[in-house]
Parts: sequence; C-alpha cells; structure tokens
Amino acid sequence: AQSVTQLDSQVPVFEEAPVELRCNYSSSVSVYLFWYVQYPNQGLQLLLKYLSGSTLVESINGFEAEFNKSQTSFHLRKPSVHISDTAEYFCAVSDILTGGGNKLTFGTGTQLKVEL
Amino acid sequence: KAGVTQTPRYLIKTRGQQVTLSCSPISGHRSVSWYQQTPGQGLQFLFEYFSETQRNKGNFPGRFSGRQFSNSRSEMNVSTLELGDSALYLCASSTGQVEGEQYFGPGTRLTVT
Repeated sequence: AQSVTQLDSQVPVFEEAPVELRCNYSSSVSVYLFWYVQYPNQGLQLLLKYLSGSTLVESINGFEAEFNKSQTSFHLRKPSVHISDTAEYFCAVSDILTGGGNKLTFGTGTQLKVEL
Repeated sequence: KAGVTQTPRYLIKTRGQQVTLSCSPISGHRSVSWYQQTPGQGLQFLFEYFSETQRNKGNFPGRFSGRQFSNSRSEMNVSTLELGDSALYLCASSTGQVEGEQYFGPGTRLTVT
C-alpha cells in the first residue's frame, strides 16, 4: 500500500522568505502526485499535480513542486511567501493501477505559518 | 459552475445512533469519493462511487457504507456510532477518469457524544 511522509508538521517562516515543504512517498511503478491546501474550516483545494511529462509543475499562485523519482520525493517550494499562504498543506499520492486520482493517500499535513 | 456541496455542515449524534451524510458533486461529474479527517489519523480514504457502483474501498469497518444515485449524488451512512467516529467527513467529486482531478466539498463535521 502507498504511504506518504511529510516530515515537518509545522513550518514557521517570515513573509517574503522562501519555503520548502517536504514530501516523500513509498515507491511504486506508476503514481500521480498532488499537493492540496486547506484553509481553516474549509475543504481541500488542489494546488498542483504531477501526472506525467515535465517533472517540475507550477501553480498559479507561485508554488512549484518537483517530482524526483529516484528519491521518491515531491517537495513543494515557493520563493517568496505571503501572509495569505498560511494554511495546512497536504501531499497526496495515487497509484495509477489501483484507482488513480480517485483514491488518494494523504500525508499527515504541514502547517505553514507565515509571520510578519 | 457550482462546487461540491455537503449537507449538513455540522452534526451532533450520540453513541450507538446512525447518521447519513449527503454529497452533491459538480454537475457532470460521475465519481464521488469520501474521506475521513481526524487529528489523530489524518485524511483517510473511505470509498469511491462511480456510476452508482462502488469502485474503490478503503480500510474501514462495515459500519461505514455508501451509495450513489443515478444523478451522481452520494450518501454515506455510519451505523452504531462510536466516539472515534467524530471527524470531518469530506466528499470529493471528479469526472472519474484515472487522471481525474478531485474537487472537495467543505465537509460535514460530525461530533459523537
């Protein structure tokens, strides 16, 4: 079974500083990878996804993630964070052979707290 | 296009009771997945329904069940509630394709006393 590890439960960072949220997944032949963001008292919103092709994927609000197959990682980065980025971030993986994007295994989440 | 809606948003039940949660997917979406979110266990996949059939299932006891109607709306039922069932239950809809993207609803907060 798939598993996802998010090593950092909380990441404090000052506004305009860069940030990296780490995500590692258990090895599989074919996987899809996702980052979701959850604001307080809300559901999850898809931030970005890797399905195939270029290993670097970007979101519309400046986040990017790089799929590294050899290290089984999908770390999320942003060069300059804003106070509005404060939220919980979840890394998720799906096994293409057993459900694809419709059956997600999530990490435990990383709380990003941006301070002034 | 309207998003995923879940009703009710908040629910308080007593141990031993049963509960039914409802999810209306985005128009045109045929897949509905359910997830349980708790502070201790995080986000866990319950099951997925596609065209009225359960297509994927997580590792939850039989007390957790679901169904999907011909209009793709889905319900989730939990029988004989336990304190540990207190959680945020999230519903997600998608087109159902393997590479499909899931859109989540705001969730139903269930509290079992």
